[in-house]
Amino acid sequence: KNEVEQSPQNLTAQEGEFITINCSYSVGISALHWLQQHPGGGIVSLFMLSSGKKKHGRLIATINIQEKHSSLHITASHPRDSAVYICAVKETSGSRLTFGEGTQLTVNP
Amino acid sequence: GAVVSQHPSRVICKSGTSVKIECRSLDFQATTMFWYRQFPKKSLMLMATSNEGSKATYEQGVEKDKFLINHASLTLSTLTVTSAHPEDSSFYICSARGYPSGSISYNEQFFGPGTRLTVL
Repeated sequence: KNEVEQSPQNLTAQEGEFITINCSYSVGISALHWLQQHPGGGIVSLFMLSSGKKKHGRLIATINIQEKHSSLHITASHPRDSAVYICAVKETSGSRLTFGEGTQLTVNP
Repeated sequence: GAVVSQHPSRVICKSGTSVKIECRSLDFQATTMFWYRQFPKKSLMLMATSNEGSKATYEQGVEKDKFLINHASLTLSTLTVTSAHPEDSSFYICSARGYPSGSISYNEQFFGPGTRLTVL
């Protein structure tokens, strides 16, 4: 069992739809990251969370430390949101990030 | 936000040659830099962690003599793939953490755009 699990693995949506990507983890963490990777490879850090909720534009990230669960929401999705979204956690002990397998999001016009 | 650059963005080389990839933190001092490798449709695999001025810590299974990492300053780390072989072809990504400041939080990690290496 992976320490970080994302669902769904693949997600196809129509433009305008509300999207949720989930991340569950099994270790104690000091921070959780949501990353975006477009075709061509570059990774953009969207959020870093240790508690509560953060919002940036149409993106919202939440985390529930007790339940060891985080969600990334995209409101009014757009084809340019099509990318792989990766959840990564920094364990309480150690300096490395542990990555989920990623969620491939495709938003059709 | 903080910016991490990588150079080159893509490189093609012949088998047996060495390739150097540079990773720079452009507007902050990177206390720790990470080098990752990513295979197609797979997640990032940590190769090594380096702190400025000290030797890199390599992950199990990563050959330190093949993947030479130098973190000579607080803004520059290099990865040299020595005697490259076709199986070294991959996407290499660096990432950096900096001193907490007004624009950088503790634990915040910034990623470079990646370098695609193709070994013929």
